[in-house]
Amino acid sequence: AQKITQTQPGMFVQEKEAVTLDCTYDTSDPSYGLFWYKQPSSGEMIFLIYQGSYDQQNATEGRYSLNFQKARKSANLVISASQLGDSAMYFCAMREVRNTGGFKTIFGAGTRLFVKA
Amino acid sequence: DTAVSQTPKYLVTQMGNDKSIKCEQNLGHDTMYWYKQDSKKFLKIMFSYNNKELIINETVPNRFSPKSPDKAHLNLHINSLELGDSAVYFCASSRTGENEKLFFGSGTQLSVL
Repeated sequence: AQKITQTQPGMFVQEKEAVTLDCTYDTSDPSYGLFWYKQPSSGEMIFLIYQGSYDQQNATEGRYSLNFQKARKSANLVISASQLGDSAMYFCAMREVRNTGGFKTIFGAGTRLFVKA
Repeated sequence: DTAVSQTPKYLVTQMGNDKSIKCEQNLGHDTMYWYKQDSKKFLKIMFSYNNKELIINETVPNRFSPKSPDKAHLNLHINSLELGDSAVYFCASSRTGENEKLFFGSGTQLSVL
């Protein structure tokens, strides 16, 4: 069965420092997508970054980068130069095709990030 | 223009009542979803429709009935509401493919008293 594990329920980081949020996944499918979403206290879900299972390069989007280690089945999110507005819940997600058709995106339990001034 | 809009944003109701949440997307996506986020922030997929056809139906009580009148709309009707149904319900949409991100609505906070 698919599974996403985020082992850090909460993380603290000093403003302007970098932080890594961990994510491991489990799948037997060779083709899948990995995503990170941010949920601030206002509640909306915001897409941050995507990594395809066949992508050779790690994905980057501004201050966000995804450290993809396929053999280890890990997809850690790195936020550089943390800002106070980065304080939020962060969800790792995996999307893969289902045997019965269609695509399904499942989410990890999330990591709450606190950025300290 | 809001890409994925769901209404209402807040829903407070008594146990045993029936309620509906509506969702519309103007992105031209062919797949729509309902997710439930519990009090611990865990997000779980409930249903998925592709071009009005139900393709994912997770282990959800049959008191929950999704309806998709067209591929731009996916509504969720809940019968005989229970205390445990209290949660935030998110509608989302996407194109087809494993590299396609989800576009979420703003969520509906359902409180069952």
